[in-house]
Amino acid sequence: DAKTTQPPSMDCAEGRAANLPCNHSTISGNEYVYWYRQIHSQGPQYIIHGLKNNETNEMASLIITEDRKSSTLILPHATLRDTAVYYCIVRGRSYNTDKLIFGTGTRLQVFP
Amino acid sequence: DAMVIQNPRYQVTQFGKPVTLSCSQTLNHNVMYWYQQKSSQAPKLLFHYYDKDFNNEADTPDNFQSRRPNTSFCFLDIRSPGLGDAAMYLCATSREGGGGTDTQYFGPGTRLTVL
Repeated sequence: DAKTTQPPSMDCAEGRAANLPCNHSTISGNEYVYWYRQIHSQGPQYIIHGLKNNETNEMASLIITEDRKSSTLILPHATLRDTAVYYCIVRGRSYNTDKLIFGTGTRLQVFP
Repeated sequence: DAMVIQNPRYQVTQFGKPVTLSCSQTLNHNVMYWYQQKSSQAPKLLFHYYDKDFNNEADTPDNFQSRRPNTSFCFLDIRSPGLGDAAMYLCATSREGGGGTDTQYFGPGTRLTVL
């Protein structure tokens, strides 16, 4: 079973920041938080991952709370092309605990 | 560009007629995965190959088989498709597997229709 809880849907105005929350209260110390997204009828796309520290790349920022029980994915300037289902996944390090177990995700709708 | 390729993108088969879906990769990754994604659901891992080592998920039906003849190609065989097997089938690859930081790269998927 997925180890994460996400809101089923969110809306965001184009050009504004989209903040997608994720709860992972049972995360263990050696598990990573991964984010993928899936645009309609396409394969999932890797966005970002982190362990303890906040991370930023060209797509997004990942903010992980100090207790690691929750995180937020931030798309700083959402565009219509960011409309997708966003999956937050907790992933272990060792072989066979590193599987991607997808939860239900958050459906983000970016509107003009 | 290096990528994960799935052919065909759309496949129609008849109830009970064997079907094979194919995946190829130019990334030279060691690990290849097959996921099933039914309508409005999240992707679900069926099995994966670490190099030539096959790893089946416990709840993957026996109807689903896989072959990996070489590093670049991996096939999903459905021996006797049922109506419940209609889904998007996603192939993914990763460089090493394990380690927690090994990113999986997904292909565009093959949408299977069973008539």
